[in-house]
Amino acid sequence: DIQMTQSPSSLSASVGDRVTITCRASQGINNYLAWFQQKPGRAPKSLIYATSSLQSGVPSKFSGSGSGTDFTLTISSLQPEDFATYYCQQYNSYPLTFGGGTKVEIK
Amino acid sequence: EVQLVESGGGVVQPGGSLRLSCAASGFTFSDHYMDWVRQAPGKGLEWVGRMRNKANSYTKEYAASVKGRFAISGDESKNSLYLQMSGLKTEDTAIYYCVRLAYSSGWYVDYWGQGTLVTVSS
Repeated sequence: DIQMTQSPSSLSASVGDRVTITCRASQGINNYLAWFQQKPGRAPKSLIYATSSLQSGVPSKFSGSGSGTDFTLTISSLQPEDFATYYCQQYNSYPLTFGGGTKVEIK
Repeated sequence: EVQLVESGGGVVQPGGSLRLSCAASGFTFSDHYMDWVRQAPGKGLEWVGRMRNKANSYTKEYAASVKGRFAISGDESKNSLYLQMSGLKTEDTAIYYCVRLAYSSGWYVDYWGQGTLVTVSS
């Protein structure tokens, strides 16, 4: 199985900050990497697929990058509605696997 | 508008069975892959299994943790996805999400249902 390791597991940031979350795969995943946002008590929401493609309706403050085994999600200017937990997922091979999540909290 | 509405969750004893349903609307059900993803209380996301689309004969894939105990099926006439769970264990306690996948060189998750809670407890 491909292991997905996210870092940090949590972070504190202020409104307006630029935030970067890292996701590392245990082997190459051909850029089949997705990012999801989950707010407390809510279902996850899809943000990014194929490493850097934004889902329809997702604001451009979210961006994804990376290749090989190392990937990042960047929020350019953190807003109050962005405080949530973020997960990466590889969909290159079965079983599909998720990272452990990064909780973004208000400083 | 794409909508995925899960139902069928509840409390069940260890060793018991439960069938979850996912009513899909706003898209052509037979064109898309569909997954089940679960989340144990306070934990992260875990992929449970997949049903491919009609063009791929609705074939299935399962996570090792549920293989042989869970079965995914679909009914094109009802635009519905199902998860038949048997031999339930306490570690199967989770919110179960139905998700739709779209294709762009690979199949990726684009829509999530609101989830249904399954509690396995004596």
